[in-house]
Amino acid sequence: RKEVEQDPGPFNVPEGATVAFNCTYSNSASQSFFWYRQDCRKEPKLLMSVYSSGNEDGRFTAQLNRASQYISLLIRDSKLSDSATYLCVVCQNTDKLIFGTGTRLQVFP
Amino acid sequence: GAVVSQHPSRVICKSGTSVKIECRSLDFQATTMFWYRQFPKQSLMLMATSNEGSKATYEQGVEKDKFLINHASLTLSTLTVTSAHPEDSSFYICSARDLTDQPQHFGDGTRLSIL
Repeated sequence: RKEVEQDPGPFNVPEGATVAFNCTYSNSASQSFFWYRQDCRKEPKLLMSVYSSGNEDGRFTAQLNRASQYISLLIRDSKLSDSATYLCVVCQNTDKLIFGTGTRLQVFP
Repeated sequence: GAVVSQHPSRVICKSGTSVKIECRSLDFQATTMFWYRQFPKQSLMLMATSNEGSKATYEQGVEKDKFLINHASLTLSTLTVTSAHPEDSSFYICSARDLTDQPQHFGDGTRLSIL
């Protein structure tokens, strides 16, 4: 079983739509959680950290369920520029980042 | 914000060549640098972690004699792929961090193609 699992997609949504991505992780000792965004053939960029209480940054909302070992990312009012691959990332106590394979999002006009 | 520069961005070379990739932190001191590899449609995989002035720690399955890492200063780490073969073709990305509670900042990546 992979340490971090994501639905690869692609998710094809129209502009303005709300879309949600899910991610599960296998190591219950994981301590930090992040969502990164990666554009085609580029380096990943930190989108937001994920906290147990849930957190929001503009149109983006991230949630963590430690009991179910589940992380989510919600994007509201999708823009064309949101088209990218979204990587679920888990950090273990050794400071090692474990990346999911990513979920590809395509927003169309 | 923190910037990490990686060079070169693209390398195409013949099988058997050794290739050196540089990773520099431009506006902060990177006490720790990380090297990742990403094959097409796969996740980034950590290859090794290096702390300035000490030997790199390699992940399981990564050959330390093939992927030589040098982190001689607080702003520069290099990865040398020795005697590269087509199966080494991949996207190599470095990241750097100054303190343990700070996020990693990624370089632009190097696309390596071995013919």
